[in-house]
This record gives sequence, structure tokens and C-alpha cells, in this order.
Amino acid sequence: QVQLQQWGAGLLKPSETLSLTCAVYGGSFSGYYWSWIRQPPGKGLEWIGEINRGGDTNYNPSLKSRVTISVDTSKNQFTLKLRSVTAADTAVYYCGRGYGSGSYYNYWGQGTLVTVSS
Amino acid sequence: DIQMTQSPSTLSASVGDRVTITCRASQSISSWLAWYQQKPGKAPKLLIQKASSLESGVPSRFSGSGSGTEFTLTISSLQPDDFATYYCQQYYSYSLTFGGGTKVEIK
Repeated sequence: QVQLQQWGAGLLKPSETLSLTCAVYGGSFSGYYWSWIRQPPGKGLEWIGEINRGGDTNYNPSLKSRVTISVDTSKNQFTLKLRSVTAADTAVYYCGRGYGSGSYYNYWGQGTLVTVSS
Repeated sequence: DIQMTQSPSTLSASVGDRVTITCRASQSISSWLAWYQQKPGKAPKLLIQKASSLESGVPSRFSGSGSGTEFTLTISSLQPDDFATYYCQQYYSYSLTFGGGTKVEIK
């Protein structure tokens, strides 16, 4: 059974860097794309970006200048970094497994609420 | 980016009702559409991919149809566990985008 477990800081000040890590348990780490998706409180879902085992990435153009997604294949983990956060980045952040590049998501992490406040 | 528009945004229905949610794409996405169910405080759950393929374990009362720019999610007989918010997602092209959601409430 595939499980995604995510963690990271939940409270940030404006201008700081958001950092979240997602660990994958069960199943294969290869052959899939590993993504980050966020959801502001009471709002809809926004795709942030994805990475595969080989480090190939795709990002949402609206966030691309501030986002880096990296992968640690030795630990079956991938990490999101979002620089220069503002209150607009307050959201629940989810990690997810895409069936392929630019795909749907059949496995999700539990979500992490990240609040940006001075 | 391809814009995904769902309607209605809120739907009030009773147990046993037939419910239909519509998702429209700003350009053709062929059949590259997924549907998710989300309950409060939980991650979305994949129901349907490629517009009409039901995920394993999802009750058969859920069905999806459509292609091109117009898609529907139908619940044939609404059950108490189905009260939730539903999202569509296109994966035809980057940037992947979601609809704004349809909240199914108890009437």
C-alpha cells in the first residue's frame, strides 16, 4: 500500500522560505511523478509542480520564480521550497503521486497547513 | 493555462437523488479529465480518470462522461457518505488546473 507522509514548518513570517518534505512508503518510487498541490483556506486546488526520480521538473509558471522541488532517491523523499512567502501563500499543502508526467493523482499526503503571518 | 469552470458551485440534494455536476474547459482537453471528492480536513480522493474510468473501489453510483470541453460527474443515487466537495482537474496540458469545486449539501 502506497503511503505519502509529509512534514514541515507550519508558521512562517513574510519573506521566509517554506520547506516541506514528503516521504513515500510502499510501491515504487520510479515511474511516477511526485507533486505538490496547495489549497488556500476555503478555496480550490492549485498545482505547484512535479518531479520524477531522475530530477526532471515541471512548475506552475505563476510560481516558477520562487519554487524549487528536489528529490532524494536514497530516502524516497521529495522536497518543496517556496521562497519569499507572503500571506497569499497561506494554504494547506499536499504532496501527491502522479500516474505520469502531468497526470491525475491517486495518492495524496495528509496535508500540512502553512500559515504566513508577521 | 486552461481554465476549468464547474457548475453549480453549491448543490442541495437529498439522499437518493440523482446528482449531476458539470465541468467545462476553456479549450478542448480530449478526455484528459479527472474527478475528485474532498471531505473537510482531508486530502482529495480520486474518483474518475480519463473522463469516465472509475477508480478501483469507487462505488458504481459514480460515473463520468464527456470529452472535448464539457464533462459531467453523475451520482445516480446520493448516499450520506457522498456529501462533500467535488473537483475536476485537467491534465491535457501544463499548467495542470482544477475547477473551483462543487459542494454537495444536504437539502
